[in-house]
Amino acid sequence: RKEVEQDPGPFNVPEGATVAFNCTYSNSASQSFFWYRQDCRKEPKLLMSVYSSGNEDGRFTAQLNRASQYISLLIRDSKLSDSATYLCVVPPSGGSYIPTFGRGTSLIVHP
Amino acid sequence: DAGVIQSPRHEVTEMGQEVTLRCKPISGHDYLFWYRQTMMRGLELLIYFNNNVPIDDSGMPEDRFSAKMPNASFSTLKIQPSEPRDSAVYFCASSLVGPGEKLFFGSGTQLSVL
Repeated sequence: RKEVEQDPGPFNVPEGATVAFNCTYSNSASQSFFWYRQDCRKEPKLLMSVYSSGNEDGRFTAQLNRASQYISLLIRDSKLSDSATYLCVVPPSGGSYIPTFGRGTSLIVHP
Repeated sequence: DAGVIQSPRHEVTEMGQEVTLRCKPISGHDYLFWYRQTMMRGLELLIYFNNNVPIDDSGMPEDRFSAKMPNASFSTLKIQPSEPRDSAVYFCASSLVGPGEKLFFGSGTQLSVL
């Protein structure tokens, strides 16, 4: 298994829908995870940290499933402005200190 | 507060030319990272510095790439000679705590090598 895998999408959903993305990782010892958001032709920006107990911020919920080695991002009541690519970041494996970015999942919210 | 500042925003050059990308990290951030993003490979870490010292350059593609950080407020990524396959968006990012913590990215440099 690759260090981190994401479904590239695109996920095409109507406004108001609930959508969820998963990100699988291979390093079972991983401790800290993040979701970044990247708009077209822009830089990635931190969206949320993912804690063992989960993390909720308004319409966004991030969860960690250690047993199945994946993290998820749930977006409720999707807005047009949520259209972007969502990148997961998982801690490094082996002796590396460098976290690994996933390739990203593209979300398109349409009217 | 000023974020991470990169220049130039766009660079178009011909194969064989030298390219220099510049980055000013957020003041007080001890870690600086250079990433490259392409459609094929996604976001790849090239090199990162801690307190101006290169820590891990295992992502640097080959000897044509070099990076320096002469002081806490400035870093450069140089490609010499450039090749068409170097065309990508190059991001600089900085972090307060370390590689596994929140990264603040610059706006990136869109490099096109013809």
